[in-house]
Amino acid sequence: SQQGEEDPQALSIQEGENATMNCSYKTSINNLQWYRQNSGRGLVHLILIRSNEREKHSGRLRVTLDTSKKSSSLLITASRAADTASYFCATALNDYKLSFGAGTTVTVRA
Amino acid sequence: DAGVIQSPRHEVTEMGQEVTLRCKPISGHNSLFWYRQTMMRGLELLIYFNNNVPIDDSGMPEDRFSAKMPNASFSTLKIQPSEPRDSAVYFCASSLDRSISPLHFGNGTRLTVT
Repeated sequence: SQQGEEDPQALSIQEGENATMNCSYKTSINNLQWYRQNSGRGLVHLILIRSNEREKHSGRLRVTLDTSKKSSSLLITASRAADTASYFCATALNDYKLSFGAGTTVTVRA
Repeated sequence: DAGVIQSPRHEVTEMGQEVTLRCKPISGHNSLFWYRQTMMRGLELLIYFNNNVPIDDSGMPEDRFSAKMPNASFSTLKIQPSEPRDSAVYFCASSLDRSISPLHFGNGTRLTVT
C-alpha cells in the first residue's frame, strides 16, 4: 500500500517558473526521499532528508520536512524543459522498506 | 559505473509461458530490490535481498513469482506461468546500505502478457 501521497497529481508550468509539489504520509519515518522518473526510464534519486532534518538543498532543489504534519515539499526553482518528469516521494518505513507515492507529473513548457 | 542493468527491456509473451527477468546490480552494493510499477497500484516492492539472501518476499503476489540471487552480481525474477494481469514494468534497484542509502534503479523491463 502507498503511504505517501503527492499533491498535485499533475503540474504544468512555464520554463523559468518554480514548481512546488507536496507529499503527505501516515506513519513515523526514518527518512524521506524524492525521486524523478523520466518517461520510459527508471527512477533517479534526487535528495534524502532524515527525520531530524527540516530543510535540505541540492542545486535548484529544495526539500522541506515537517514531521509534526507528516508532510514534505519539493521545490524546483527556475524550471527547465529537462525537468519534465514524474516526481515521487518515498518514505522509509524501516531500515530497508521504501513506500512510494503515486507521483506528481510535471510538464515544463518552453 | 554502468549503473543497474536489466534485461530484456521489453518482453511480450503469451499467457501460460515462463518469463525470466534479469538484473545486474551496481558492484559493491549489498542490497537488491525488485519493484513492479503499474498505473493502478504504483510502485510495489516485490522482494528484497541483502548480501544475496532474501530478507522480505512478502510483496511477491503469488507462488507463480520467484526470485533468486545466486551471487552478488546477478538476480532473476521468474514468473511461471504468466498471466495478463502480470503486465507491468518491473524494476530492479540496488543500494549500498538498505534504505539509508539512495536506491539506484535500472531502466526496467516492460512485460506484456497477452
